Amino acid sequence: GESVGLHLPTLSVQEGDNSIINCAYSNSASDYFIWYKQESGKGPQFIIDIRSNMDKRQGQRVTVLLNKTVKHLSLQIAATQPGDSAVYFCAEGGATNKLIFGTGTLLAVQP
Amino acid sequence: DTEVTQTPKHLVMGMTNKKSLKCEQHMGHRAMYWYKQKAKKPPELMFVYSYEKLSINESVPSRFSPECPNSSLLNLHLHALQPEDSALYLCASSLNDRGNTGELFFGEGSRLTVL
Repeated sequence: GESVGLHLPTLSVQEGDNSIINCAYSNSASDYFIWYKQESGKGPQFIIDIRSNMDKRQGQRVTVLLNKTVKHLSLQIAATQPGDSAVYFCAEGGATNKLIFGTGTLLAVQP
Repeated sequence: DTEVTQTPKHLVMGMTNKKSLKCEQHMGHRAMYWYKQKAKKPPELMFVYSYEKLSINESVPSRFSPECPNSSLLNLHLHALQPEDSALYLCASSLNDRGNTGELFFGEGSRLTVL
């Protein structure tokens, strides 16, 4: 859903399912992208990054896809677990750009 | 050591108080940052220090005063704050201050409440 006021976009998934979190970025000059996970009461934690010369990068249970044509980034989490419940932020940066965070998506994993 | 340590974890202050938030890293990073985060919002950049010099001030009110005593420490001095300044204040560090040279490492944040 759309973010309105104090409401974060929320993705609700069943434990064991795959999750896909999407992000649209704004600056075509951005050449570096990061996904952060933020659990309640904690600071953002690095998940995975990707540079603009790649369109896919895989980590442990996570995959980031980058589509520069439409300025879109996605984070795929395989076999989602209750411990994956958190807010996920994408962030974009470049050689002269500050790292700028997107709106965030709340991932709620149902047991 | 890949940690950014922030103190205090929680702070309650009145509008006439003077207090400071502290941040420390020992990763040899030369860029350090203060971000402000309100509930259900992304972190918003406040200040960037690069090689111990203030390189970015995102039009932050003067009641927030940053200080970088050395390459490992970053302070945020608070004076005459308003209730709307209540937020989570996050410190971060990175290898340098260009936005494409690697991740920012974040601390756990200082939760500030202004009464």
